[in-house]
Amino acid sequence: DAGVTQSPTHLIKTRGQQVTLRCSPKSGHDTVSWYQQALGQGPQFIFQYYEEEERQRGNFPDRFSGHQFPNYSSELNVNALLLGDSALYLCASSLGGSQYGYTFGSGTRLTVV
Amino acid sequence: QKEVEQDPGPLSVPEGAIVSLNCTYSNSAFQYFMWYRQYSRKGPELLMYTYSSGNKEDGRFTAQVDKSSKYISLFIRDSQPSDSATYLCAMIPMFSGGYNKLIFGAGTRLAVHP
Repeated sequence: DAGVTQSPTHLIKTRGQQVTLRCSPKSGHDTVSWYQQALGQGPQFIFQYYEEEERQRGNFPDRFSGHQFPNYSSELNVNALLLGDSALYLCASSLGGSQYGYTFGSGTRLTVV
Repeated sequence: QKEVEQDPGPLSVPEGAIVSLNCTYSNSAFQYFMWYRQYSRKGPELLMYTYSSGNKEDGRFTAQVDKSSKYISLFIRDSQPSDSATYLCAMIPMFSGGYNKLIFGAGTRLAVHP
């Protein structure tokens, strides 16, 4: 039973560049949420996608955008990268509005230099 | 002030010890409470969850919620080296419109040494 798959595992980018991170949800899940986890911090909610639409967003600038595809997979895009964007980016999938049913991927470690 | 406060530790205990992990929160609307465990280089995995106040036990783990004090705890009995990880508390407010974003604490790093 495949869980949440994220790619790539690690990524190094230069300030000002753009990056795309990818997520395949757990089989049977239709909702994808993205979180940013800075070193030594808890995950911070970026946004959530359901039925290919962003339905809730955290306190992140418009440089952060996303997309959900008909097969429920999702992408997170970050433009004009800043050093402060260096973090572990976690994708979590769930079925609808389940409070307890989140499954997290292992994340993409993004380093901005 | 953060909505959820959690002592980052690190917490180092000998094998077999009872571990107490805690979080406080400020938003009285929080109704769903969870504990996640995160091993190094992995994503968080759900360990325990409770709804509203009360206790819940699962094997060596006990979760407690005291809504009057806005305080939640996770107890680990007979701790094992395999329990060494970061423990994250997470909460969801009531009436979040079905958009259940998790609000996390900073996480407490736990090391259990043989």
